[in-house]
Amino acid sequence: EPEVTQTPSHQVTQMGQEVILRCVPISNHLYFYWYRQILGQKVEFLVSFYNNEISEKSEIFDDQFSVERPDGSNFTLKIRSTKLEDSAMYFCASNGVGDIKQYFGPGTRLTVT
Amino acid sequence: QKEVEQNSGPLSVPEGAIASLNCTYSDRGSQSFFWYRQYSGKSPELIMSIYSNGDKEDGRFTAQLNKASQYVSLLIRDSQPSDSATYLCAGVSGTYKYIFGTGTRLKVLA
Repeated sequence: EPEVTQTPSHQVTQMGQEVILRCVPISNHLYFYWYRQILGQKVEFLVSFYNNEISEKSEIFDDQFSVERPDGSNFTLKIRSTKLEDSAMYFCASNGVGDIKQYFGPGTRLTVT
Repeated sequence: QKEVEQNSGPLSVPEGAIASLNCTYSDRGSQSFFWYRQYSGKSPELIMSIYSNGDKEDGRFTAQLNKASQYVSLLIRDSQPSDSATYLCAGVSGTYKYIFGTGTRLKVLA
């Protein structure tokens, strides 16, 4: 069964460093998302992406964040200068045309020290 | 502010019993709802979707939606210890953005 994959599974970085989280959505899906979940808290929407542009972004998704689809398979989330409060699980999700069910990847645990 | 509310629990039920999980939402424009199961440290796993008022059954799971009351529920029949997890309710309106509740932690006691 097709699934969303994410790399790395765990990333440790120092405050102020840049990180890139990578996702490979399900191959025929066209809508892509990033969510985050701070430990013990709810899953929060960050950004949605369709047709090579951002469809919607939340207040969390400030100028420190960017997304890109560099090729036909990868979807990346970049955090330019990480802060301690960026420590969280980051989930990528995707859905196909005409199907609003989103399928989540296994997540990347980001730890900022 | 669009919100989805859930009781954080834990909800404890004995093995074999029915577990009833509830969710309310504030956005009347929400049309579609999803229940996800999340084990500790893992990603959300889709269990059920429901788009119309009424009940939808899938195996041991039944989702219920009442748009007039802005209420969604999930029933798990014949609960098993492996059902112990956090259950997330999510609503969608307009764009495909999901609004999640905080989740209800379910403990099924053997």
